[in-house]
Amino acid sequence: EIVLTQSPATLSLSPGERATLSCRASQSVSSYLAWYQQKPGQAPRLLIYDASNRATGIPARFSGSGSGTDFTLTISSLEPEDFAVYYCQQRSNWPFAFGGGTKVEIK
Amino acid sequence: QVQLVESGGGLVKPGGSLRLSCAASGFTFSDYYMSWIRQAPGKGLEWVSYISSSSSYTNYADSVKGRFTISRDNAKNSLYLQMNSLRAEDTAVYYCASIITIFGVVMDYMDVWGKGTTVTVSS
Repeated sequence: EIVLTQSPATLSLSPGERATLSCRASQSVSSYLAWYQQKPGQAPRLLIYDASNRATGIPARFSGSGSGTDFTLTISSLEPEDFAVYYCQQRSNWPFAFGGGTKVEIK
Repeated sequence: QVQLVESGGGLVKPGGSLRLSCAASGFTFSDYYMSWIRQAPGKGLEWVSYISSSSSYTNYADSVKGRFTISRDNAKNSLYLQMNSLRAEDTAVYYCASIITIFGVVMDYMDVWGKGTTVTVSS
């Protein structure tokens, strides 16, 4: 079973700053990794699929990179609506696990 | 517009059963794989189960295998999750979500989510 470890657990930043979130897999998932954003009381929203492809309607400030075991979600300049929890998810092997999440909070 | 609406959650005693439903609208339900994802209070996401578009293929997390059954009725645009032998650790918000298909390839990521239904297992 593949385990996804996200770091840091919490990221404290100000609007306009750059956010860099990490997701590490316990074994290679190739490029089969997605990123989701979840705000309190809401369902998750798909941001990035297959490591680097933005989902429909996702702003260009969100970008994903990586392959194998190490992946990064970058938010180039934080907008007020970007403060949320972010999860990675792999689809390489069942069970399609999620990471534990990174909370991006306002500093 | 594209919408998924879950129902059927509630309070149930350990060992009891519940059947969750998810009504789909605004898209061709029968074309898509569907999934159930859950989130325990204050915790992360767990993929519970998924089902292929024609119901020919299903899969389950080890934590629910043998207790939960996923099914769908394409004529009714509906997805279901029959949950038996419920345990306290099944307490969570249960989301119904559609799995994206790009150029005919099922991608095993979820792009449309319902708002969720809450299941509480407690005596």
